[in-house]
Amino acid sequence: AQSVTQPDIHITVSEGASLELRCNYSYGATPYLFWYVQSPGQGLQLLLKYFSGDTLVQGIKGFEAEFKRSQSSFNLRKPSVHWSDAAEYFCAVGASAGNMLTFGGGTRLMVKP
Amino acid sequence: EPEVTQTPSHQVTQMGQEVILRCVPISNHLYFYWYRQILGQKVEFLVSFYNNEISEKSEIFDDQFSVERPDGSNFTLKIRSTKLEDSAMYFCASSPDSGKNYNEQFFGPGTRLTVL
Repeated sequence: AQSVTQPDIHITVSEGASLELRCNYSYGATPYLFWYVQSPGQGLQLLLKYFSGDTLVQGIKGFEAEFKRSQSSFNLRKPSVHWSDAAEYFCAVGASAGNMLTFGGGTRLMVKP
Repeated sequence: EPEVTQTPSHQVTQMGQEVILRCVPISNHLYFYWYRQILGQKVEFLVSFYNNEISEKSEIFDDQFSVERPDGSNFTLKIRSTKLEDSAMYFCASSPDSGKNYNEQFFGPGTRLTVL
């Protein structure tokens, strides 16, 4: 069965600092990997996705993520965090079209001025 | 840009009552999903639907739950007899079966269900 672990429940960074959110997955084959962001009271917005090819993927809002098969990781990064990035971030893994997504527990990001 | 919509945004019901949550997926999408998120917990898969039938469901999706695509645009989740533990945010999602967004699930804003 597929699973996703986000080891950090809360992270606080200063505005302008760099950010890395960790995600580890367990899946038997090549996974489809996603990062979603959820602002308070809002739905889930896709930041980026990895299906195949280049292991460094670029997303919206200046985010990127790197797929490392050897470490079963798909960590999310941003070089300079903005106050508006404060939200909850979810990593998810899926098998293929039409299949369920399995989400991690989420990481709540707080941004200090 | 097309988006998934859900109604109502908030539903309050009494335990034992039936509720129907409604979703309008993106018009050219063929896969539809329901997920739920209990307050403070992770998002959990409930069911996926394709070609007018359930393609996958989780153990959460028991006989109290059902899904339907009553017409060409709506996708509904019915909870037959609500329990306190059904209180959660319910998200609808849809995805295409081809094209550049193949495999990407687009989520609606959610319906917050409160069971009293």
